Amino acid sequence: EAGVAQSPRYKIIEKRQSVAFWCNPISGHATLYWYQQILGQGPKLLIQFQNNGVVDDSQLPKDRFSAERLKGVDSTLKIQPAKLEDSAVYLCASSPRGSGNTIYFGEGSWLTVV
Amino acid sequence: DQQVKQNSPSLSVQEGRISILNCDYTNSMFDYFLWYKKYPAEGPTFLISISSIKDKNEDGRFTVFLNKSAKHLSLHIVPSQPGDSAVYFCAASALNQAGTALIFGKGTTLSVSS
Repeated sequence: EAGVAQSPRYKIIEKRQSVAFWCNPISGHATLYWYQQILGQGPKLLIQFQNNGVVDDSQLPKDRFSAERLKGVDSTLKIQPAKLEDSAVYLCASSPRGSGNTIYFGEGSWLTVV
Repeated sequence: DQQVKQNSPSLSVQEGRISILNCDYTNSMFDYFLWYKKYPAEGPTFLISISSIKDKNEDGRFTVFLNKSAKHLSLHIVPSQPGDSAVYFCAASALNQAGTALIFGKGTTLSVSS
């Protein structure tokens, strides 16, 4: 079974530029998450989708971050404009129904804002 | 306010000995707890979980203990192996709440020397 796929793996941009990350969850997984992990911290939830609907986006900085999950499969996370403090790993994860909330992560997209 | 706390940033253990990683939580609504392991440049991988109806769950060399009255859980690795060297994250969720994403601690870096 293929895991969660993310791209790009690494991205370096200047502050005030924009960036987009793509995620393809495990086939059949209805729930998709985007987490942000800053160096030395644990992953922090940015947004949770159930199919193509948003369940929780309370910690998403909506003035600069946006995410969508069209057709309930792939998802894109965008940052515009980026700030230095956005430098982090952006982790996409997915989970099936009835998993007891065990979620499965992709390898992450590493963002450096300079 | 951190709801999941891992107060030891690092732990060093000799090969063959027991590793004990600790985690405390503050939210009494949490009823499902997980441990994830993370190698550098990779996403977190699921290791073991426990629901609040149990106080122990074992999987091979890994055992998780839950003390609900103390709001404390621990991960025991016996015997420890050099390949266990990684960052370990404790995570928790409340299964009966909407937006059931995991909340993570900051992680403990385990180093197992041969």
